[in-house]
Amino acid sequence: KQEVTQIPAALSVPEGENLVLNCSFTDSAIYNLQWFRQDPGKGLTSLLLIQSSQREQTSGRLNASLDKSSGRSTLYIAASQPGDSATYLCAVRSGGKLIFGQGTELSVKP
Amino acid sequence: EAGVAQSPRYKIIEKRQSVAFWCNPISGHATLYWYQQILGQGPKLLIQFQNNGVVDDSQLPKDRFSAERLKGVDSTLKIQPAKLEDSAVYLCASSFLEGYTFGSGTRLTVV
Repeated sequence: KQEVTQIPAALSVPEGENLVLNCSFTDSAIYNLQWFRQDPGKGLTSLLLIQSSQREQTSGRLNASLDKSSGRSTLYIAASQPGDSATYLCAVRSGGKLIFGQGTELSVKP
Repeated sequence: EAGVAQSPRYKIIEKRQSVAFWCNPISGHATLYWYQQILGQGPKLLIQFQNNGVVDDSQLPKDRFSAERLKGVDSTLKIQPAKLEDSAVYLCASSFLEGYTFGSGTRLTVV
């Protein structure tokens, strides 16, 4: 059974710092991996999608990496801003399903 | 492109009452999902439709939850009777190929 874990559960950083969010999954037989952002009271916004054959994807200040063999992904946020404050969710597409981690709540202080 | 529409945004009911949520997916998206997100947790899949057929409902508590997708477009999720532990955000999503689009969700509070 596929399980997705995110560490840390919460993170608070000062503005301008670079930071890394971690995601691990138990079954390496995944189709793809996605990182989502969730603002309070809102739905999920897709940030980056990495196919199982890819190693990384970049969008602006965001870079996501995937190491399928070790069951790990990281989301790197460069030069963090207060507007980046949100919950970040990792999800793997496995067995036809999208399975989520519990999320990392990020707070960027001005 | 219009997003995934959900209603209502908020609902407060007493335990043992019934409640229904509505979802209108993006036009042309054949696959529709209902997820339950309990506070502090990631979303958990309840049911997946492909057009108007059920693909996966293995985690749907069928004694109290039901869902339908008529004509392969809109979908309704119902809870009857509700329990305190059903308090959560119910998210609807639709997909075409690999991309998922989520609605804003319905926040249910059972008191």
